[in-house]
Order: sequence, then C-alpha cells, then structure tokens
Amino acid sequence: DTEVTQTPKHLVMGMTNKKSLKCEQHMGHRAMYWYKQKAKKPPELMFVYSYEKLSINESVPSRFSPECPNSSLLNLHLHALQPEDSALYLCASSQVDMGFRGNQPQHFGDGTRLSIL
Amino acid sequence: AQSVTQLDSHVSVSEGTPVLLRCNYSSSYSPSLFWYVQHPNKGLQLLLKYTSAATLVKGINGFEAEFKKSETSFHLTKPSAHMSDAAEYFCVVTAYNNNDMRFGAGTRLTVKP
Repeated sequence: DTEVTQTPKHLVMGMTNKKSLKCEQHMGHRAMYWYKQKAKKPPELMFVYSYEKLSINESVPSRFSPECPNSSLLNLHLHALQPEDSALYLCASSQVDMGFRGNQPQHFGDGTRLSIL
Repeated sequence: AQSVTQLDSHVSVSEGTPVLLRCNYSSSYSPSLFWYVQHPNKGLQLLLKYTSAATLVKGINGFEAEFKKSETSFHLTKPSAHMSDAAEYFCVVTAYNNNDMRFGAGTRLTVKP
C-alpha cells in the first residue's frame, strides 16, 4: 500500500468537462508534486508546491490548474482538456530539501489514469 | 546540469538468475541517485537511494546498487530474479535541487519462468 493516496483511480471525461484530481499524504511532507506520464515513458514534472506555495510550473497549459489547500492535500483542476492530455497523472511528496543536496526521495501515489474523449 | 542514461531499454532474464540493470549519470555537483520500480498500473516505488554515504547501497526486495564515481555509474543488481520483479525500472539523479529529478528513459525487466 502506498502512503500517497490519489483519487479517482480512473477518469474519463469529455473535452468540455471540468473535473479534479485529488492527492493526499499524511507523512508530514511539505513538498508535493504533480507529474504526467505517457505510456512507456518516464514521468514529466508539471508542478511543485513547497510549504503550500507553488514554486515550479513547468510551462504547463492553463487548462491544468493546481491547488494546495493545506499541507496534506494537493488538487489538480482540469478544464477543456485535449485528447493528447490522456495519460497517467502521478502525485508525489517529499521532505523539503533544506540542505540543497537533492537527497530527499519522492514518494509516489498510484496515479489517476485519465482518458479524454 | 545532470542527466541519466539507462543503457538497456529491455532486459530479459530467467527466474533464479542474476539481474543487472545499468545506469550512467552525469552531474556538475555531487549527485544523489535513486532507483524506482513501477509495476503495471501502479505508481513508482523507491527501491534504494545513494546520498553520499556508503557506496554500496542495499534496498528493498533484495536489490542493491553500487555508486562508482570513477565510472559515473549506479548499476542495479539482484542475485536471483523472481517473477514478481518483472516491471519498469527508472534510474533518477538529483543534485543541489530536490525538485530537479532527472529520470532515465527506463528499463523494462522481463522474467521468464
């Protein structure tokens, strides 16, 4: 069982729909991440939150809107998605890297498999 | 900047034989290195990490990896493969900034009965 919980596990939506992906962790981590993963590819970083503030946006289209309501929760709001947005969306969390060593591993959820019709 | 090259896109072994998944890295700073495993329709699970302590790192499920600075390598090994080891494996490097994780392209491990 993973310590990062993502809901829903599967989501099918039309291009005009609005939906949200949810992620929750109770490990006390203050850094949280959204990744997009296409089939047979490594994950691609989308957003990073540190202490509930958005610190990195990897030039993600505005149809993806992240939100971090508190230190345990991370949402990804979806609107007017395109078929190419179909993918596995992974949430991860980690301790904040206070020493700037890059040595805090990220813990991943099982993802939401998103299909755009 | 840092990067990772996984030298094999696909490795096939027989059950009970050794596993070797190869990873070379490039980094301007002292790197931290990780191996993750991803089973079908699952997230990534941390197998082990190297963060400048012992160069031989032991992980979960019998996996281990050795950091070799002179060869800029961090190969993943296991003495005896099990059917449940069949999965995708990612080598990851970070340096200086924990947000900047660089993934290798992945190696798909197949285990034959």
